[in-house]
Amino acid sequence: KQEVTQIPAALSVPEGENLVLNCSFTDSAIYNLQWFRQDPGKGLTSLLLIQSSQREQTSGRLNASLDKSSGRSTLYIAASQPGDSATYLCAVDLNDYKLSFGAGTTVTVRA
Amino acid sequence: DGGITQSPKYLFRKEGQNVTLSCEQNLNHDAMYWYRQDPGQGLRLIYYSQIVNDFQKGDIAEGYSVSREKKESFPLTVTSAQKNPTAFYLCASSRGHHTGKTQYFGPGTRLLVL
Repeated sequence: KQEVTQIPAALSVPEGENLVLNCSFTDSAIYNLQWFRQDPGKGLTSLLLIQSSQREQTSGRLNASLDKSSGRSTLYIAASQPGDSATYLCAVDLNDYKLSFGAGTTVTVRA
Repeated sequence: DGGITQSPKYLFRKEGQNVTLSCEQNLNHDAMYWYRQDPGQGLRLIYYSQIVNDFQKGDIAEGYSVSREKKESFPLTVTSAQKNPTAFYLCASSRGHHTGKTQYFGPGTRLLVL
């Protein structure tokens, strides 16, 4: 069974600092990996999707890397802003219509 | 505006009562999903449907039931058999029969037990 772990569970940084969020998974035979953002009491918003054949994806200040062999993905957020405060979840797709989610990292960016 | 709507935002269930959560999408997506989110845990899949009139159990289907009579709608019923229903419920949809497509999520329904 695929296990997805996100450490740390919470992170607090001053505005302007770069954020590094980690995701690890136990089964490297993934189809793709996605990063989502969740604001308190809200649904999930997709940020980036990395196919298994890709090493990274970029969107604006966000960059996500994928290393299948080591079972790791990292989400980088450059020059953090208070509006980046949210919970970030990673999810792994095993090509069977199911996403396996990590518990998330809750980020607070202090002004 | 295209998207997914869930209603109600908050739902209260009494002991022994069945309640139904609504999920509607106008994205013309074939696949729809129901997830449960508990504090400090990742989302867990309850049921999913790849096409109208067909659905499959996810990892935690016990105590829940669904129907998929229309492409746009995928209601979830929390039955009295679900002994710990308090959670945040999220509905999602994605395109076609192809995997690897981004899932789009609704705003969620918070279910509380009286």
